Amino acid sequence: GIQVEQSPPDLILQEGANSTLRCNFSDSVNNLQWFHQNPWGQLINLFYIPSGTKQNGRLSATTVATERYSLLYISSSQTTDSGVYFCAVERVSRDDKIIFGKGTRLHILP
Amino acid sequence: NAGVTQTPKFQVLKTGQSMTLQCAQDMNHNSMYWYRQDPGMGLRLIYYSASEGTTDKGEVPNGYNVSRLNKREFSLRLESAAPSQTSVYFCASSEFGAGELFFGEGSRLTVL
Repeated sequence: GIQVEQSPPDLILQEGANSTLRCNFSDSVNNLQWFHQNPWGQLINLFYIPSGTKQNGRLSATTVATERYSLLYISSSQTTDSGVYFCAVERVSRDDKIIFGKGTRLHILP
Repeated sequence: NAGVTQTPKFQVLKTGQSMTLQCAQDMNHNSMYWYRQDPGMGLRLIYYSASEGTTDKGEVPNGYNVSRLNKREFSLRLESAAPSQTSVYFCASSEFGAGELFFGEGSRLTVL
């Protein structure tokens, strides 16, 4: 099956810093999604981004499908950005299986 | 608009007991999914249903069964619970296969 690797696994930053999270995948994909899991366990959609670049406030994401990676940028981090960030992909085979990476745990210090 | 609703939110079972996790969505989505989340493992797909009347195995289906009761509801059953099934279970839905996923709040299951 498709492999989804996220890096770094853990990241500790001071409030106000910028960060880049990476998602590599081993096969061609139809879509890619980024999620944030907050400290209370809720999973929130951030981006649905099979290709190209999208921005939402301080967050932006870029997927380069031909090179099999996606990047999530967080600028001017706030303590509320803490939590785990997951990317999830579905292979071009369209078997409808959405597979997750193991996540990047982000801790923003006040 | 409730989105995706899971019940129960917490459950403690003894080894060998059975139980069913219920999931319902009110977004008229076609596809529904069950994931489990364990520390350091991310979310792993147990079963999914691309449309009403169909189900298929995910990455970790052993020990589980599912039923797509209708378009709204997708249940996950543990026939004989084992301690290895202690986990947080998430139900999700999407408008079409591999579309944007929307998650329920999760169900924390402990098997003693």
